[in-house]
Amino acid sequence: DSGVTQTPKHLITATGQRVTLRCSPRSGDLSVYWYQQSLDQGLQFLIHYYNGEERAKGNILERFSAQQFPDLHSELNLSSLELGDSALYFCASSATSGLTDTQYFGPGTRLTVL
Amino acid sequence: DQQVKQNSPSLSVQEGRISILNCDYTNSMFDYFLWYKKYPAEGPTFLISISSIKDKNEDGRFTVFLNKSAKHLSLHIVPSQPGDSAVYFCAASGFGRGSTLGRLYFGRGTQLTVWP
Repeated sequence: DSGVTQTPKHLITATGQRVTLRCSPRSGDLSVYWYQQSLDQGLQFLIHYYNGEERAKGNILERFSAQQFPDLHSELNLSSLELGDSALYFCASSATSGLTDTQYFGPGTRLTVL
Repeated sequence: DQQVKQNSPSLSVQEGRISILNCDYTNSMFDYFLWYKKYPAEGPTFLISISSIKDKNEDGRFTVFLNKSAKHLSLHIVPSQPGDSAVYFCAASGFGRGSTLGRLYFGRGTQLTVWP
């Protein structure tokens, strides 16, 4: 158990809909990262928040947005969903945002768009 | 643009033997390299890391080797055990242009199967 929690574990929805994925980092960790793992793809970095502020963006679609709240939990919002958005979404947390801070991953949310 | 590559999607090794998983990268600005292990229905679990100032790091049965000139790293598992059967991801991070501090670039993973 990494200490990172993600809800829900599974999500099935239809195209055009909007969903929210939630992540609670390990106790004391200030950084939250979101990654997407599509079929046959490695984990692709989406976005990084540190202590409530956005620090870096990867190849995150404009239909996707995220935020980190004062209690440090984070939410990833996916809207106007398309079939291709079906993937595993992982959240990771680290103590700060340093280069050598180990990122600890949650169990992921499996999103299926029908 | 796959900056971290794991060219072997699978590897099968007998219990007790050495497992060698390979990883290549293209971005010379990467400073820090990690290996993660992933079991089905779980998130990746950190295994071992190495800084670019070193060429070897060891932790129990796991050793990571870094060859900066070849932009290549490898993970050695000795001896291999059936419980090591999982997908292994290589990841890299770094400062500088073309990379973002703290962001990890992942390979596509190698499925290791250790048979008795």
